[in-house]
Amino acid sequence: NAGVTQTPKFQVLKTGQSMTLQCAQDMNHNSMYWYRQDPGMGLRLIYYSASEGTTDKGEVPNGYNVSRLNKREFSLRLESAAPSQTSVYFCASRIDGGNIQYFGAGTRLSVL
Amino acid sequence: GQQLNQSPQSMFIQEGEDVSMNCTSSSIFNTWLWYKQDPGEGPVLLIALYKAGELTSNGRLTAQFGITRKDSFLNISASIPSDVGIYFCAGQLSQDSNYQLIWGAGTKLIIKP
Repeated sequence: NAGVTQTPKFQVLKTGQSMTLQCAQDMNHNSMYWYRQDPGMGLRLIYYSASEGTTDKGEVPNGYNVSRLNKREFSLRLESAAPSQTSVYFCASRIDGGNIQYFGAGTRLSVL
Repeated sequence: GQQLNQSPQSMFIQEGEDVSMNCTSSSIFNTWLWYKQDPGEGPVLLIALYKAGELTSNGRLTAQFGITRKDSFLNISASIPSDVGIYFCAGQLSQDSNYQLIWGAGTKLIIKP
């Protein structure tokens, strides 16, 4: 009964370091999403993938890259982390033919 | 980008009180979703609304799809401590065929000790 699984749960980086946030879903959904959540700003879409092999920019893509490795996995990469990327990152997948999204538990990232 | 205005931003309430929050927009939506985020967790769907005027309940929670299709409301009756968290509205624009959601900024519910 896993749903959407994100790793790691917590991470501290120094400015300029790189890292990849992992996301996997076991619901056989085609569409997956990466959001960031900052206080008072709700959820802002970074990138999404409508199907395996496709990715598209969302509202705040700068400083990030994504890879849709296969139908299950969608990763988010920070090539050179900046303090402005301190945030909570959520991965979600969407039920096919509908708009309900299912979320992981999040990755809490601090960039010093 | 598109915005949903969600209010209030936060609420301090006594246990047992009823709670109301809403989301409004200048655009027309064909779906409204209400999610709750517990501390340290991801958002979880509470209620989905698909028709103007629709009123749907989930236990002590009741949500309505506004008849203008530009707003939605969530009410919580007789609040209890486990209701604390952040409540998000999300909507799909009527002209969107890609199922993308527009998100409100959230209402943080805090219960006074």
